[in-house]
Amino acid sequence: EAEVAQSPRYKITEKSQAVAFWCDPISGHATLYWYRQILGQGPELLVQFQDESVVDDSQLPKDRFSAERLKGVDSTLKIQPAELGDSAMYLCASSPGRSGGYSYNEQFFGPGTRLTVL
Amino acid sequence: DAKTTQPTSMDCAEGRAANLPCNHSTISGNEYVYWYRQIHSQGPQYIIHGLKNNETNEMASLIITEDRKSSTLILPHATLRDTAVYYCIVKGGSQGNLIFGKGTKLSVKP
Repeated sequence: EAEVAQSPRYKITEKSQAVAFWCDPISGHATLYWYRQILGQGPELLVQFQDESVVDDSQLPKDRFSAERLKGVDSTLKIQPAELGDSAMYLCASSPGRSGGYSYNEQFFGPGTRLTVL
Repeated sequence: DAKTTQPTSMDCAEGRAANLPCNHSTISGNEYVYWYRQIHSQGPQYIIHGLKNNETNEMASLIITEDRKSSTLILPHATLRDTAVYYCIVKGGSQGNLIFGKGTKLSVKP
């Protein structure tokens, strides 16, 4: 069964350092999402891509966070510099999107990257 | 997107049916009810969705009231592996994004 891949699974860094997370969505999925999940809370959308274009980054802290999906396949989320409050689980999800012909957008989530900022 | 209200936590005995309620009194006519769950340290997993009619799949059943202001997710024979946080989300069909609340933490006990 196809799955969303994420790496690394765990990352520990010191504040002010740069970190990057990678996501490989399910093959053929046009839509890719990055979420942040703070302990005890539900996931919160950071950015949504349709192919290589950003369609929603309204909740992305753009002063320190960046995301790209250059070829419309895999994606990277970067934080520079990391702050203590960035400690969280970063989840990637994908969905077929318009190209899949679905009338709803069931999202398939990866296992996440747990970031700890010291 | 409409807001949902769920109990913070619930317990269920193994082998019994787990009935998870969700209130969504401000749901609009074109909004679907989605259910996802998140097992500890994993990403959320889609369970089921519906618009007006009751729905059933291999994982669960979704019962939506006639006025669509509330729904119930039913796991017919809960197992220990069903212990998870269950999220009820309301959103328009293919538009809009999933907005997760805090969900219901279901604990299935032997």
